[in-house]
Amino acid sequence: ILNVEQSPQSLHVQEGDSTNFTCSFPSSNFYALHWYRWETAKSPEALFVMTLNGDEKKKGRISATLNTKEGYSYLYIKGSQPEDSATYLCAFGYNQGGKLIFGQGTELSVKP
Amino acid sequence: DSGVTQTPKHLITATGQRVTLRCSPRSGDLSVYWYQQSLDQGLQFLIQYYNGEERAKGNILERFSAQQFPDLHSELNLSSLELGDSALYFCASSVVVGEELASTDTQYFGPGTRLTVL
Repeated sequence: ILNVEQSPQSLHVQEGDSTNFTCSFPSSNFYALHWYRWETAKSPEALFVMTLNGDEKKKGRISATLNTKEGYSYLYIKGSQPEDSATYLCAFGYNQGGKLIFGQGTELSVKP
Repeated sequence: DSGVTQTPKHLITATGQRVTLRCSPRSGDLSVYWYQQSLDQGLQFLIQYYNGEERAKGNILERFSAQQFPDLHSELNLSSLELGDSALYFCASSVVVGEELASTDTQYFGPGTRLTVL
């Protein structure tokens, strides 16, 4: 059974703190690793799709790295703001089709 | 707004009933995916359609079925509903530039349909 693990489950930080969380996935049959941001009462919003070992992606204050050989990806948020409060999901694409295996998410709460 | 629409937004029904959830993908997207988000579980992949044909199947129950129509909209049919089917059902769509690389395509999620089975 393919398993995608995210840690920590939840995180509470102060405004201005930088934070990071981890997504672990199987290192075999890797095709892609997706990061999504999911705000309460909204739908998941795509952040990054990463496909190559060593990939680094950046969008504003959010960045992500990928290590396919050891099966992990990190998501970093620099200078967290209250509007960054959301659940961050990663999803593993392990074959040619579009099926993604999602992790349980990391719930981030940023206090002003 | 992702450009993916889903109707209805909320649905309350009784056990044993049948419901149909509808999804319209973003303009130009050929692939549609259905996901289920239950209380204690993460997003669970149910099924994928590409240009009208079923492409991938997840842990979709036999009581559930889906189809994608020529205009590319999709419907998810849930029958003989049970209390445990209460969940948020999402539809997502992607372009699928090359069918063989669908895993690398960004999936755009709709707002979801919240199903409550009483």
